[in-house]
Amino acid sequence: DAGVTQSPTHLIKTRGQHVTLRCSPISGHKSVSWYQQVLGQGPQFIFQYYEKEERGRGNFPDRFSARQFPNYSSELNVNALLLGDSALYLCASSSPSGGPLQETQYFGPGTRLLVL
Amino acid sequence: AQTVTQSQPEMSVQEAETVTLSCTYDTSESDYYLFWYKQPPSRQMILVIRQEAYKQQNATENRFSVNFQKAAKSFSLKISDSQLGDAAMYFCAYRSAGGNQFYFGTGTSLTVIP
Repeated sequence: DAGVTQSPTHLIKTRGQHVTLRCSPISGHKSVSWYQQVLGQGPQFIFQYYEKEERGRGNFPDRFSARQFPNYSSELNVNALLLGDSALYLCASSSPSGGPLQETQYFGPGTRLLVL
Repeated sequence: AQTVTQSQPEMSVQEAETVTLSCTYDTSESDYYLFWYKQPPSRQMILVIRQEAYKQQNATENRFSVNFQKAAKSFSLKISDSQLGDAAMYFCAYRSAGGNQFYFGTGTSLTVIP
């Protein structure tokens, strides 16, 4: 089975631009979470979506938005990019079936965003 | 908000030896989950081991085991018979049972010396 996939792998943007990152969860997983990982730090939670609804939001400005589609894939959008948005953006999915596995998140390889 | 602290930015271990990575966390909740994730240089985060707070027995996965001390809010990872492929950044993570987000520590970079 394919794991969590993300696209693109790398992206270079300039300040003020907009970016869209994409994520496909593990087949059968209905929950997708997004994290920002700045170099040298642990991942910071941005959003969680479950069944196309936002279920949680971290301490990020309104420039960050996301959505989940009927096939459970997800997009993360960032507007008015700042230099400080340069980071690895990770997507994670989790199982919908309940039980212990529901609490575990499985991560994709990430999208490396560089803002110049 | 919950916080997770990894006080060892870097650790090294000789191949075939044992190493312990430390993690402490701060929470007022009684029901939660703890995880260790491994992030190799290729950067994909891989689950190493998980522990439910309501279980007293420490989790074990092959060469990986944890020492979970709930009262001390400590969750260390022991890697036995270290292998070159164990070299990576290791992150400790917390999730409350009723919550929807993970809290990660700042990571420990593990080097395995041949």
